[in-house]
Amino acid sequence: NAGVTQTPKFRVLKTGQSMTLLCAQDMNHEYMYWYRQDPGMGLRLIHYSVGEGTTAKGEVPDGYNVSRLKKQNFLLGLESAAPSQTSVYFCASSPRTDLQETQYFGPGTRLLVL
Amino acid sequence: GQSLEQPSEVTAVEGAIVQINCTYQTSGFYGLSWYQQHDGGAPTFLSYNGLDGLEETGRFSSFLSRSDSYGYLLLQELQMKDSASYFCASDSNYQLIWGAGTKLIIKP
Repeated sequence: NAGVTQTPKFRVLKTGQSMTLLCAQDMNHEYMYWYRQDPGMGLRLIHYSVGEGTTAKGEVPDGYNVSRLKKQNFLLGLESAAPSQTSVYFCASSPRTDLQETQYFGPGTRLLVL
Repeated sequence: GQSLEQPSEVTAVEGAIVQINCTYQTSGFYGLSWYQQHDGGAPTFLSYNGLDGLEETGRFSSFLSRSDSYGYLLLQELQMKDSASYFCASDSNYQLIWGAGTKLIIKP
């Protein structure tokens, strides 16, 4: 099992450009999440999905859109990149059992917006 | 609002024991998780407390007191490879709310 994978690993964008970050998981998890992490800070939730075809806003959704057309994939889109979106983006998935919430993370995508 | 507070940095000596505290203020609280993150890496799950008390997993233990809205992570027999950031996160209504992280510095 590959677990959670993210594409690309690193990207440089110019202000105003658009891009899509891809997250894929092969663990058949229902729940998927997109976070951003800025230097010296914790993770902030951008959007999440509790199942195929569903998405919801997290703490910092502005400037981002997401789609979950297939259970194993969760896409994060930036329509018009801004320097404030320079960050490391982590995707996570979770089986979301009744007992506890354990999230499994991808390796991250480092995004630099000039 | 919802928040978790933890110290920004803790320093300890190799072979010693260190405790990282976390206080939380969240609605719809289910439990407290701990994650480890090495520089440049992804967070990895360490421990979870759904009930009050101590959970032990090898050299790591985690404690929760719901009445005090408080938990801690205890690391024993510290090794240099334990140098990392440690995050507490509260499980609340489909989401994890994360603390800002504690950077653990281990000296030989």
